[in-house]
Amino acid sequence: RKEVEQDPGPFNVPEGATVAFNCTYSNSASQSFFWYRQDCRKEPKLLMSVYSSGNEDGRFTAQLNRASQYISLLIRDSKLSDSATYLCVVNINTGGFKTIFGAGTRLFVKA
Amino acid sequence: TAGITQAPTSQILAAGRSMTLRCTQDMRHNAMYWYRQDLGLGLRLIHYSNTAGTTGKGEVPDGYSVSRANTDDFPLTLASAVPSQTSVYFCASSDGRLGVHEQFFGPGTRLTVL
Repeated sequence: RKEVEQDPGPFNVPEGATVAFNCTYSNSASQSFFWYRQDCRKEPKLLMSVYSSGNEDGRFTAQLNRASQYISLLIRDSKLSDSATYLCVVNINTGGFKTIFGAGTRLFVKA
Repeated sequence: TAGITQAPTSQILAAGRSMTLRCTQDMRHNAMYWYRQDLGLGLRLIHYSNTAGTTGKGEVPDGYSVSRANTDDFPLTLASAVPSQTSVYFCASSDGRLGVHEQFFGPGTRLTVL
């Protein structure tokens, strides 16, 4: 089983739609969580951190469920520019920190 | 500031040849990383360095070596390339301080080994 799993998609949604992605992690020593965004043929960039109480950044909301070991990303009022691959990232405390990237979920927003 | 740069942008390499992928950052970050990204597998850590003068093995280190002579540079060397090393290679850096985890990535190097 992969340490971090994501639905690869693709998710095809119209502009203005709300879309949500989940990501599950298997290691209970996972301590911090992030969503990165990666555009086609570009490098990943941090989208937002995920806090235990949940957090919002504009149209984006991230949530963490430690009991069920998953994190989620909700995008409201989707824009064409939201089309990208969203990577779930987990830091695991193994003495030092080990960072695990999910394979990503592809999102296409269409006019 | 440039952030983190990689060279070359892309390369076609004959199997058995050696090659060094270059990575330079100007953010004075302590930690640096090399990843490869393959379709469906996500980013996999090859080697890392927590600070200048130290390196460590990641998830897929075989066939690769790194050095960290100074803070800014973290080259990745393929001693004898094989076709399975065809991939996109990303270098990244992070501040490395406790609790500061954001990684900044370079633009990547697309390597094809024939």
